Amino acid sequence: DSGVTQTPKHLITATGQRVTLRCSPRSGDLSVYWYQQSLDQGLQFLIQYYNGEERAKGNILERFSAQQFPDLHSELNLSSLELGDSALYFCASSVGVAGGHETQYFGPGTRLLVL
Amino acid sequence: AQKITQTQPGMFVQEKEAVTLDCTYDTSDPSYGLFWYKQPSSGEMIFLIYQGSYDQQNATEGRYSLNFQKARKSANLVISASQLGDSAMYFCAMRERNAGGTSYGKLTFGQGTILTVHP
Repeated sequence: DSGVTQTPKHLITATGQRVTLRCSPRSGDLSVYWYQQSLDQGLQFLIQYYNGEERAKGNILERFSAQQFPDLHSELNLSSLELGDSALYFCASSVGVAGGHETQYFGPGTRLLVL
Repeated sequence: AQKITQTQPGMFVQEKEAVTLDCTYDTSDPSYGLFWYKQPSSGEMIFLIYQGSYDQQNATEGRYSLNFQKARKSANLVISASQLGDSAMYFCAMRERNAGGTSYGKLTFGQGTILTVHP
C-alpha cells in the first residue's frame, strides 16, 4: 500500500458525460500528479500541483481540468467524454518539488470506461 | 524524440535466474533522477528503485539493482533470483526539472517491458 488513495476504482460512463476522479496524497506529501495510461499512448503525464498551485502541465486536454484543495486532496475532472478517454488514471504524490530524487508514489488508479 | 527507451517489449526468465531489463534515456539536464516501477496485472504502480544522476554508486534494493552507465545514458534494472511473483510490466522513468528549471515535476516513462518468469 503506497498510502495514496484514489476513488472510485472503476467508472463506467457514456460519451458526452462528465466525471470526477478523486485522489488523497500520502500524509505529508504536498505534490500531486495525474497520469493517464492507455494502450496506444502509454503512461502520459497530465498535470502537477504543489501545495494547491498548478506547477506543470503535460498533454492534458482542454476538456480535462484539475485542482488541489487546501487539505491537499486533488480532483481530476473529465468532461465531454469520448471513447478515446477510456484509460487507467493514476494519481501520484511526492514530498515536494525540490529534487529529482523525490520518489513519486502511485495510487491504485481509476479505471475509466467510456461507452 | 523518445526520452526513455525500453527496447525489450517482452522478456522471459527461468525462476531463480537473474534478468536484466534495458533502459536508455536522453536528457541535457545534468540533474535528474531515474526510477523503475513494477506494474503487476492488478494494475498498481509499485516503486522499485531510484538512481540519481550524481550518485557515484549503483543503487541496490534487495534483489533489485540498477546498472547505471552515465556516459552511455543507460540505467538497466537487474533482478536477481527471479521469483514467479516478479512476472509483471516494468517501467523505467526519468524525472527532470520543469520548464523554467526551478522545480522538479513529471516522470517521463518508457513503453515498458513485460517480464515473464517461468517455473
